[in-house]
Amino acid sequence: EDKVVQSPLSLVVHEGDTVTLNCSYEVTNFRSLLWYKQEKKAPTFLFMLTSSGIEKKSGRLSSILDKKELFSILNITATQTGDSAVYLCAVRSSGDKLTFGTGTRLAVRP
Amino acid sequence: DVKVTQSSRYLVKRTGEKVFLECVQDMDHENMFWYRQDPGLGLRLIYFSYDVKMKEKGDIPEGYSVSREKKERFSLILESASTNQTSMYLCASREGGLVDEQYFGPGTRLTVT
Repeated sequence: EDKVVQSPLSLVVHEGDTVTLNCSYEVTNFRSLLWYKQEKKAPTFLFMLTSSGIEKKSGRLSSILDKKELFSILNITATQTGDSAVYLCAVRSSGDKLTFGTGTRLAVRP
Repeated sequence: DVKVTQSSRYLVKRTGEKVFLECVQDMDHENMFWYRQDPGLGLRLIYFSYDVKMKEKGDIPEGYSVSREKKERFSLILESASTNQTSMYLCASREGGLVDEQYFGPGTRLTVT
């Protein structure tokens, strides 16, 4: 059975801090790892990673994958209150399904 | 932009009622998915469909069925709602083939009393 574990479960930081969110996985026939941000409603897509060691970056957010150690991290620098959300990690194996972790709830205080 | 819409944002039903949740996507996507999201359990896949009239069970299909008569529409059916089906239900669609990203609808918060 495919498994995705995220840590920490929740995190409280102050504006301007840098945070690192973790995602580890155990899947057969790994294909890709995806990060989503979920505020009050629909998860919105952030990144998709397929290759080890290649950083994906979008503004203050970046992510990298390590296929040997089976994990990914999502970094957010200079956090803002608008970054407060649940961050979801999901892995696709060879079929059509995504397996999701339980998410990390990030709260950014002013 | 891909748009995935769900028929209701909030729904309250009684135990034993038959419940229909509708999802529509406007991007001609091949694959559609129904998840439920519960605190501490994350998103769990109920059913998915990889083509019209084709469906496959996800991780927690018990108590649910689905229908996909048209490519853009995927319905989730609770034949006889129970209180343990109180949850947030999220629909998603995916282009298919080599594209992995799924696009989500806004969710339906269902309460069964």
